[in-house]
Parts: sequence; structure tokens; C-alpha cells
Amino acid sequence: EAQVTQNPRYLITVTGKKLTVTCSQNMNHEYMSWYRQDPGLGLRQIYYSMNVEVTDKGDVPEGYKVSRKEKRNFPLILESPSPNQTSLYFCASSSYRVDDYNEQFFGPGTRLTVL
Amino acid sequence: RKEVEQDPGPFNVPEGATVAFNCTYSNSASQSFFWYRQDCRKEPKLLMSVYSSGNEDGRFTAQLNRASQYISLLIRDSKLSDSATYLCVVDSFGNEKLTFGTGTRLTIIP
Repeated sequence: EAQVTQNPRYLITVTGKKLTVTCSQNMNHEYMSWYRQDPGLGLRQIYYSMNVEVTDKGDVPEGYKVSRKEKRNFPLILESPSPNQTSLYFCASSSYRVDDYNEQFFGPGTRLTVL
Repeated sequence: RKEVEQDPGPFNVPEGATVAFNCTYSNSASQSFFWYRQDCRKEPKLLMSVYSSGNEDGRFTAQLNRASQYISLLIRDSKLSDSATYLCVVDSFGNEKLTFGTGTRLTIIP
């Protein structure tokens, strides 16, 4: 089954404790992206990757890191989480050609609470 | 001005009615437009792409108006299962990313 998986689905942590949210897709997509969703603000892009070893900042990258060592995986790293990073996080992937966007497939989401 | 703007609603519509949403975008060079559907606490899923000539998929019709920079979604004969949040999505031409609107919440009432 074609899918995007994220782990963990739910996480409660404390300020300053490093964490990683994993994202994996089995569709051989070039493009992967992380979003956070907050009430009234919609989905905002954190980081995206056009292909292996290529990553770039989205609209709200502060406090986050990513890596893209393999095509299928795109982990999101919070080196020192803070309460304002409490949010619902989605990973997404799609095939991509320059200036030609295809359907983005989203993972099920990770609900993160930072105390 | 926000890149993508939607009326957040909520829209409470009786079953069987026709409902329409608009979404405005600020980048006149945008080329790709989509409507996504998001159920409560779930991931967004593509409902339909929006093509220049307009397109229809069953009870759903999407239109693009480049001159006024808006896209629309029309739902005919609404069903209870249409209750969801509808997200307008537009590419930021040249910036390699998609921008999501904050969504319009729709509730179909029996």
C-alpha cells in the first residue's frame, strides 16, 4: 500500500529534551515536506526537500532541523523543544517536476506537546 | 495581504443544498491550484486539482478566475459525509512550495 508513515503519532515531552519525528514514504517520491498545523494559522511549511541531500527552509524553520540521506526518509529534529512548538505535525511527499506540482500525500500526523 | 485567503466559516448547510467556497491568492504568477479536504484530526487529502478551464468531478466543480485571482469550489446535492474542512492550496511560483489556506469548515446538517 502506498503510504507516508510518521512516528510517533503522539508525544509529550519537556522543554529542552531533543526529539526526532520520523517520516518515511514508499512511493519513490522526490519531494518531501514537513508542516505544522495550528488553530487559525492553517498548515505552515517548516522544511522541504526536492531530493536526496537537498533541503530548504519553508516558512517557519526556526527551531527545527531536517536531513534527507535517503530518498524514502525525511526526519524532523527538534534539538531543544519549547512550548511554542506544541502543534500537530504532518509529513508529506509527492512526485515533482520543476514548477509542476502533483498531489501531496500526507502522513497521519504527529501530535506533539512540549511542557 | 495573505498569500492564500479563505473564509474560515463555519458553513452550516442542510443536506441536499448547494454550497460554494471561494479562495483568493496573491501571487499572480501561480500556476497550480488544488482543493484538499481535511477531516477532524486527520491528514489532508487531495479533493481535486483546479484547471484553467474549470473541472468537475461528480458533485464537485472547481473554477479558476485568473483575472480576479480566486478559485472556487462548488458542492451540489451535499451529503452528510461532505462535512469537513476544505483547504485551498496554491503554488508560490518560483519558490518551490505550496501555500495552504487556513481552511473553510463545512457542516452538513440532516
